Amino acid sequence: QKEVEQNSGPLSVPEGAIASLNCTYSDRGSQSFFWYRQYSGKSPELIMSIYSNGDKEDGRFTAQLNKASQYVSLLIRDSQPSDSATYLCAVESWGKLQFGAGTQVVVTP
Amino acid sequence: DTAVSQTPKYLVTQMGNDKSIKCEQNLGHDTMYWYKQDSKKFLKIMFSYNNKELIINETVPNRFSPKSPDKAHLNLHINSLELGDSAVYFCASSQDQGQPQHFGDGTRLSIL
Repeated sequence: QKEVEQNSGPLSVPEGAIASLNCTYSDRGSQSFFWYRQYSGKSPELIMSIYSNGDKEDGRFTAQLNKASQYVSLLIRDSQPSDSATYLCAVESWGKLQFGAGTQVVVTP
Repeated sequence: DTAVSQTPKYLVTQMGNDKSIKCEQNLGHDTMYWYKQDSKKFLKIMFSYNNKELIINETVPNRFSPKSPDKAHLNLHINSLELGDSAVYFCASSQDQGQPQHFGDGTRLSIL
């Protein structure tokens, strides 16, 4: 069983719609959770961090965390073509980040 | 100013050679990392240093040797390069373990 699992996609989203990305993790002791965006040929860029259950909003992004279900998600509202990228879920486990394989998002005009 | 900088950006070399990649961060962070991202885009941690001390050493061939001369620098030396070493290597840093990490632009290593 992979420690951090994401759907690989591609997730096709019409411009202006909401993109919903999901991530599950195996380590119940994890306390820190992150979403990174990676454009093709570029480095991962931190877009959200979340540490407690519930929702956290930052601009068009909302991260949701449910530790009991070992589930973290990312919503992208009013999706733009510039949001087309791979989104990596990262979960802190034993002092290191475990990354999921990433979900590719394609926003279509 | 670039927060985490790596050199070189591209590295093309032949099997069996030895090469080094350098990384520097100007964020004042205590922890630095090396990651490998393979052709399937999976990002996997290799090493982590906290204030010049090795704290994470994943299952990596001993041909890979990290070195941290000070907490702002973390270099990676690779001996006897193999075809399977072809990947993008990312350096990252964070204030402490478990904190958000900031990545360098990566070094694309291609083995001929």
